Parts: sequence; structure tokens; C-alpha cells
Amino acid sequence: GAVVSQHPSWVICKSGTSVKIECRSLDFQATTMFWYRQFPKQSLMLMATSNEGSKATYEQGVEKDKFLINHASLTLSTLTVTSAHPEDSSFYICSARERDRVDPQHFGDGTRLSIL
Amino acid sequence: AQSVTQLGSHVSVSEGALVLLRCNYSSSVPPYLFWYVQYPNQGLQLLLKYTSAATLVKGINGFEAEFKKSETSFHLTKPSAHMSDAAEYFCAVSLTGANNLFFGTGTRLTVIP
Repeated sequence: GAVVSQHPSWVICKSGTSVKIECRSLDFQATTMFWYRQFPKQSLMLMATSNEGSKATYEQGVEKDKFLINHASLTLSTLTVTSAHPEDSSFYICSARERDRVDPQHFGDGTRLSIL
Repeated sequence: AQSVTQLGSHVSVSEGALVLLRCNYSSSVPPYLFWYVQYPNQGLQLLLKYTSAATLVKGINGFEAEFKKSETSFHLTKPSAHMSDAAEYFCAVSLTGANNLFFGTGTRLTVIP
């Protein structure tokens, strides 16, 4: 149980385009979803926390207009990297927390984004 | 404030040898502590968690960790390393149990045949 699916797993696109990454909880309802960014050989950096039906809370230094997060349902959150540039290239990982449970976050398999 | 420090960015052990990955935490209140494993190009998988119950926590794949308040440590161990254990391991702390995880910088485990 507690499976989180992230799609796509790998995306390459040209500079200036926008990229949408989906994060789905497959067998549970996720009231809270988290988006992380991981640079090569480094730890995870929390970008934002999103609660279903409300605006995401962004960490300090993360551009809200660059990284758009939508959490429209209890099983889906999306991260859109708008007008992506090479410096946005990274590994993005989502996680989800199950409703009404003191339970650890369950992580997706990540999306490797490469901007040319 | 809370944080974790993982001593040693790289650890190499021989197959069959003891695995010891170190994690020290800093927290103003009793923390929740976690160990996650990450295989290449994948997300994180929970190995085990400490939530103020038993101080010795057993996880998946034969791993266990012991919470030592006096040493502010939560080291991860496994009696006998397997080749499949080669991965990146992250220690994490949270004050609330699930939200606001703070990760250490990770330890890459290499298992030598």
C-alpha cells in the first residue's frame, strides 16, 4: 500500500518551455503533498507543501511564479515549471501524506528534468 | 530548530560485513526520526522510523536503528551487508511526525564483493 506515482520519470525540453509533473497517490487519499528538488549528489530540498483545495506554501527562496503547484484533488498534485531554463534542470521528487494518519511521507520515484 | 548531521558522505563495506551509518540530530523537542534509502534515479523508500516508542527500531531489509537521547544519535545498522544494499541513505528529522522533514546530506553506501 501507500504507493505514489510520479510522471513523467524523465523529460528533456528546450529552454523557455513549460513542463508539468504529476504526482498521484494510487491507493490512499493524500491531504498533503510535498515537492522536493534534489541536485546531483546532494540532499533533498523542500520546495513547497500543498494541501488539497488550498494554495501551496512555498519555502523561502522558491519562486512561486516559476514553480506552480496545484493540488486539486486528494490524489493528484502537479508541479509546473514555467519558462524553464537550464538552471532549472534537476531531479524533482514528490511525496504524499495519508489523510488522518500520523504516517511518514510516501515518495514518488522522481522526475529528472533536463532543460537544453 | 531541528537538523540532522550524517557523518561520512561515503561508506564502503565488504559483503557480509557490518553496516554502520551515522546520524546525529538536533532538536528542541523530542523528535521523530527516519531513515530513507534512495536507489539511482528513484525516489526515497522508508527503511524505518522512530516515534518515541521503543528506542531500538527494526526496519525493512534487515536494517535497524537505535535512538540514543544522551548521544542525540540515531545510527543505522545492519549485521551483514548485501550487494543490493548499495544505495544512498538519508536520515531525516521531523517535529510533527510527517510534515516538514529535514534531511541530512546523505551517505552513499558501497558494498564490495
